[in-house]
Amino acid sequence: ETGVTQSPTHLIKTRGQQVTLRCSSQSGHNTVSWYQQALGQGPQFIFQYYREEENGRGNFPPRFSGLQFPNYSSELNVNALELDDSALYLCASSLAWAVRRTTSYNEQFFGPGTRLTVL
Amino acid sequence: SQQGEEDPQALSIQEGENATMNCSYKTSINNLQWYRQNSGRGLVHLILIRSNEREKHSGRLRVTLDTSKKSSSLLITASRAADTASYFCATDARSSASKIIFGSGTRLSIRP
Repeated sequence: ETGVTQSPTHLIKTRGQQVTLRCSSQSGHNTVSWYQQALGQGPQFIFQYYREEENGRGNFPPRFSGLQFPNYSSELNVNALELDDSALYLCASSLAWAVRRTTSYNEQFFGPGTRLTVL
Repeated sequence: SQQGEEDPQALSIQEGENATMNCSYKTSINNLQWYRQNSGRGLVHLILIRSNEREKHSGRLRVTLDTSKKSSSLLITASRAADTASYFCATDARSSASKIIFGSGTRLSIRP
């Protein structure tokens, strides 16, 4: 157990709908990252939040958005769902620090993921 | 594109044998991490090696890092059935938009 929890475990939506996924970080961590993992592939970085601000974004369209709250829990929102959004969504928390405009990390602790199916 | 690429994509060995997986990456890094994933579940952190380290051990795991070749290897000694999983390397790149990027993974199967 990593101490990182995600909800819901599974979710089925239809194309065009919106979805919100939630992540509760490990105690003491200030950074949360979200990943999309398609079947048989490695996790693809969506974005990261460090101290409640977006700190890097992968190659995902603006309909993927997020929030990090003062308690460092986080949400991933996806609007206008497409069939290709079907995947396992993973969040990971870590303790990061900023050095000269870049951020360095310790290891990430992953939650169990949310399996999203878009029909 | 992926920063890290694992090699081989799939590996099947006999229980008790050693398993070696390799990872290559493209840009300078702060550190490199190895993760294990069982059957599409959450990833488990195995080991982190920093850019100024060359080798690190943790139990039956041995990781090497060659920054001149931009490559790393993960060795699992005396493999067990429970080691059957997918293994991913992830790099923490030195960039202003720092983020950790995963490779596509090696699927390891341990035959009894």
